[in-house]
Amino acid sequence: DVKVTQSSRYLVKRTGEKVFLECVQDMDHENMFWYRQDPGLGLRLIYFSYDVKMKEKGDIPEGYSVSREKKERFSLILESASTNQTSMYLCASSFQWNTEAFFGQGTRLTVV
Amino acid sequence: AQSVAQPEDQVNVAEGNPLTVKCTYSVSGNPYLFWYVQYPNRGLQFLLKYITGDNLVKGSYGFEAEFNKSQTSFHLKKPSALVSDSALYFCAVRDIKAAGNKLTFGGGTRVLVKP
Repeated sequence: DVKVTQSSRYLVKRTGEKVFLECVQDMDHENMFWYRQDPGLGLRLIYFSYDVKMKEKGDIPEGYSVSREKKERFSLILESASTNQTSMYLCASSFQWNTEAFFGQGTRLTVV
Repeated sequence: AQSVAQPEDQVNVAEGNPLTVKCTYSVSGNPYLFWYVQYPNRGLQFLLKYITGDNLVKGSYGFEAEFNKSQTSFHLKKPSALVSDSALYFCAVRDIKAAGNKLTFGGGTRVLVKP
């Protein structure tokens, strides 16, 4: 089975902190994604990557950056955390564009 | 730009009755379409997909969906709902001709199946 692992289930950070969310997949997938999930808004794409060191902005990239130095790892960085970034963050990966994405368990981030 | 609409925030159905969760999409090219389910405190799980071919797609747990190009819809259906089907359902689309090929999700529909 494909496994997508997010480093933390719950995080509490202070406003202004730099926050790193880590995601690792074990199936050699080309594509990786970061979403945030908020009630009533569904999943919104922050960034995605289709290869090592390659990244594309999603629908809501402001305040975030990403890093993909190795194929299996895709990191989401909040440069200076703000309270409006309190959310559930979901990482996903997929082999090709016509195959399904596999999701991690999510990281619930609270910024205080 | 590609988009997905799930017009119902919540669907209530009695156990044993048919379940339908609606989804419409907008793309400039041809779509890849997906349905996912999220159980409480769990990540999203893949249910089924439409890529090409037969418009009726069968997936996990007895779910199916019908692709309708003229109505730009991809409604999820189950002939007989179970209480355990109570969850949050997401429709997603990828425009195969759009630059970047990103996967866009709808707002989600909460399904409540009552005994």
